Amino acid sequence: DSGVTQTPKHLITATGQRVTLRCSPRSGDLSVYWYQQSLDQGLQFLIHYYNGEERAKGNILERFSAQQFPDLHSELNLSSLELGDSALYFCASSAQGAPSSGANVLTFGAGSRLTVL
Amino acid sequence: ELKVEQNPLFLSMQEGKNYTIYCNYSTTSDRLYWYRQDPGKSLESLFVLLSNGAVKQEGRLMASLDTKARLSTLHITAAVHDLSATYFCAVDRSRGGADGLTFGKGTHLIIQP
Repeated sequence: DSGVTQTPKHLITATGQRVTLRCSPRSGDLSVYWYQQSLDQGLQFLIHYYNGEERAKGNILERFSAQQFPDLHSELNLSSLELGDSALYFCASSAQGAPSSGANVLTFGAGSRLTVL
Repeated sequence: ELKVEQNPLFLSMQEGKNYTIYCNYSTTSDRLYWYRQDPGKSLESLFVLLSNGAVKQEGRLMASLDTKARLSTLHITAAVHDLSATYFCAVDRSRGGADGLTFGKGTHLIIQP
């Protein structure tokens, strides 16, 4: 157990629907990162939150949004789902939130596998 | 655009053999990360290389970093079946590493008896 908790583990839904993926970071970590993993695109960075604030955006579609709550858990909302959104969505956490000379090792959760039919 | 390229992307090898996975990156970062992913599982941190010339070893795996060449290698010695997995290298998305990592596409390693 990495200490990063993601729910649900599996989710099957239909095109056009909306889903919410949830992530609780490792105790003490203030940063949460969301990644999408698919066979054709590999691991794609979506978004980064630090202590409730959005810090960086990657290849995140406008149909997707995220937030980090005061208790530091984060949610990734995916709407108007398309077949191509089927993927494994990972949340990762780290203690770092500002540039540092130390390594920023990300600890990953087990992932949420989304299947859009 | 930051690029991280791994090769090979797929490798099938026999137990007992040695092999090297290569990771080239386009940033001037002096930090490089290696992760392992078992099928259907999460990513697990293997090594963090923090400076030019850094070398880390654990068991049959050894990672090294050449920041001038923007190249890291992951060397497998006398491979065993348990090392079958996908290996990713990654670099900081921004200087100072506050914005997470950019990953290579991964090297899918199969070790056959």
